Order: sequence, then structure tokens, then C-alpha cells
Amino acid sequence: DAKTTQPNSMESNEEEPVHLPCNHSTISGTDYIHWYRQLPSQGPEYVIHGLTSNVNNRMASLAIAEDRKSSTLILHRATLRDAAVYYCILRGPMDSSYKLIFGSGTRLLVRP
Amino acid sequence: DTEVTQTPKHLVMGMTNKKSLKCEQHMGHRAMYWYKQKAKKPPELMFVYSYEKLSINESVPSRFSPECPNSSLLNLHLHALQPEDSALYLCASSQDRLLRGTGELFFGEGSRLTVL
Repeated sequence: DAKTTQPNSMESNEEEPVHLPCNHSTISGTDYIHWYRQLPSQGPEYVIHGLTSNVNNRMASLAIAEDRKSSTLILHRATLRDAAVYYCILRGPMDSSYKLIFGSGTRLLVRP
Repeated sequence: DTEVTQTPKHLVMGMTNKKSLKCEQHMGHRAMYWYKQKAKKPPELMFVYSYEKLSINESVPSRFSPECPNSSLLNLHLHALQPEDSALYLCASSQDRLLRGTGELFFGEGSRLTVL
């Protein structure tokens, strides 16, 4: 599985946008970019995924660089509930498609 | 119903005990997973079941024995564990093979295991 690099931690103020970066310089053309987050004392939860185009859903937006070597998860208005560890994960095609391998993630702290 | 339910939430066991962790989902998912998570570390994949058959074993020691009695249930049998096996054990499910890199896993809240 291709590797991702994320900052260990980031801080944000409540109600401000948050941009969580992820570098994946060895991404292949068929790898999808997934984001999961893990709130304290809970299991991870799916946030969003994309391949080439930017994606939006009710939780967040995913901005993917044109060369696909990096991506950014955008939380438009951070709330205290968004304090979590955010994982950027690359997922390949059929051969490895059962595997979801977590990297070290970014711990997001949201200040009131 | 989009829940994965794990029991027990907490378990303390001695190194000579035999215990089991249970996981249940009623979303009609045909793939189920066990992950292990140590404190302040990311989850690590242990096992994957697909259509009740073991599909992936990530070289997990035999003191961990998974079982998938039916498509809704997943067990993890524990025997002769070591203190370093103390961790949060997470169960997850997905519709099927996560096709072409898409699809999502649904996780339970985990069972926190302490081995004395």
C-alpha cells in the first residue's frame, strides 16, 4: 500500500475552517484517497473519499491536487465535536481492496 | 440501522483465561474485520472475513482465533494472552469487497481488553 504523510497535530478555533493536509507522492493512478476520523473513545468513522476531482459531502470537502500527490480535507466550520484523529488512507484496486491500512494520522485540537 | 455492536465494552483477563469478544451487525454486510489499536497508535488490521470465510490473516499469533458463525456475527476467541496484547479491539464491517478502492468500513466502538 502506498504511504501517506500527515502532520502529527493541528489546532483550530471553533467555527473557523480547518485544512488538514496529506502528502501521497507515490500514489498510483488507480489509488483512491480516503479519509476517516476517530473521535475520542470511539471507533473510526468514514469521512470522505475521492479519486481525481474535488468532492463534497455533509461532513467535509476533499480537495485533490492536480498531480494527485497531495490532498486536503476541509472542515468548513470546526466544532468541538470535530476534535479527533484524522487519517488519510490510500486504497488500491481489486487485489488489495479488503485492506484499509491506517497511517499515523493528524490529531486535531479545536479551541472554544 | 448503521451500527456495529461490540461486546463486552471492557474485559479484564488473566494470562491463563479463555475469553471471547463478540461483534454483530445487521446491515447485510458480507465482509467483517478485526483491528487492534494500542494507545495513541492507529488501528492495525488483524483479520478479514468475506462471506463467512477467512480472507485475510495479517500474521496474527494463534492465541487470537477468529470465528464467523454467520454473516451478522464475528467473534474473536482469546486464549493464553500476554500483557502486551492489552489494547482496544475494533470490529468493522463493509458491504463486500471494497470495490475498486471505494466503499466504506463501519466500525464499532471497540472492546477494551486488559491482560493481567
